[in-house]
Parts: sequence; C-alpha cells; structure tokens
Amino acid sequence: RKEVEQDPGPFNVPEGATVAFNCTYSNSASQSFFWYRQDCRKEPKLLMSVYSSGNEDGRFTAQLNRASQYISLLIRDSKLSDSATYLCVVNMSPDRGSTLGRLYFGRGTQLTVWP
Amino acid sequence: DAGVTQSPTHLIKTRGQQVTLRCSPISGHKSVSWYQQVLGQGPQFIFQYYEKEERGRGNFPDRFSARQFPNYSSELNVNALLLGDSALYLCASGRSGYSYEQYFGPGTRLTVT
Repeated sequence: RKEVEQDPGPFNVPEGATVAFNCTYSNSASQSFFWYRQDCRKEPKLLMSVYSSGNEDGRFTAQLNRASQYISLLIRDSKLSDSATYLCVVNMSPDRGSTLGRLYFGRGTQLTVWP
Repeated sequence: DAGVTQSPTHLIKTRGQQVTLRCSPISGHKSVSWYQQVLGQGPQFIFQYYEKEERGRGNFPDRFSARQFPNYSSELNVNALLLGDSALYLCASGRSGYSYEQYFGPGTRLTVT
C-alpha cells in the first residue's frame, strides 16, 4: 500500500466552480501535511500547510482528520490559473523526536479549469 | 533572496554513463533533500542531508550517492545509468522544525538513451 493515496482525476471544471480533492495516508505517525501545486514540467510549489484545526488561504481551504488519516483541499471560485496538478504530501520523520523528515507524495490530482 | 538553484537544467546521457547533479539551497537552510519524479507520478525521496550528514535514504540502489558541502550545497551522483533513470530530479531545501516545509528547485531533467 502506498504511503499517500489520492485520486489522479482528471478534474475538469468551469470557471467559478468549487472543487474538492481528497487523499489518505497510511502512517499514523505522520507529522505534518501539505498541499503542493505542480504546473506542467515545473517543480512542485508549496500551496499550503494543513493543520488539524483546518486552515484557509483565500479561496483555498485545507482540512486534516488525523483519526481517519484523511486530508482534503477545497478550491472555491476556480480560476483558469488554478489549472495544475495538486499533490498531497505527508512529512514523516524516520526518528522519533527528529525535526527533519522526508516527504511522501501522492501521485497528484490533475485539475483543468475551462472558461 | 534567491530560491533553490539546480544545474544543469537538462541533460542527455547514454546507458552506462555517470552523471552529477548540483543543488544550492535557500540561504539559511541547512537541509537538502533529493527526489526523483518520473512522468505521471509524484516525487520519490532519494536522500536527505543535514549539516553535511546523511539523515535519510530512500529505496534506491547503491548506484545513487550524494554529499553535502560545508556551504550546504549538494551533489547527487548516479553511476551506470539505466533507461529507467530518466526522470526529473528535484532538490528541496528546508529549515529544521516541526512543520519542516521544503522548497523545491526547478529540477534537472535527465534523459538516458
């Protein structure tokens, strides 16, 4: 079983739509959680960190459910510029108490927003 | 401040050759991690270095090696290249800390023919 599983899509939505991405992770010892955005043939860029209390950044809302090992990203009022692949990412430290860790990526969910 | 830089941008090699990829982290970051991304997949962890010491290794063969220099820059070496090594190689830098956000460079696209 992969460490991070997410629906690869693709999601094709019109401008102004609301779209939700979900992912699950397998290791309950996971420490921190992120959504990255990756444009075609570019590097992943950090979109937002995800906290247990949920967090919002403009049109983007992320939620974490540690009990269910589930992470979500909601995009409201989609823009053409939101078209990209969204990567669900989990940080797991190999050593208890370490403040470093390695990132485990889902395979990404492709979003296309059309006019 | 400059972001993470990587060189070269693109590289074409033949099977059996060796390659060295370079990365400079964001100023003030002491951790560098390397990831391999093949088409259609998310990046896969290869190595992590912190304060010039290896702190983690992913499930990659011994043909892959890396090191970190006193200025925190890093090199990734791959020996005896195989066709399957063709991928985007990403370097990420970070500060230690609970959330440990990592920031990626533009990557080196390696093609093995």
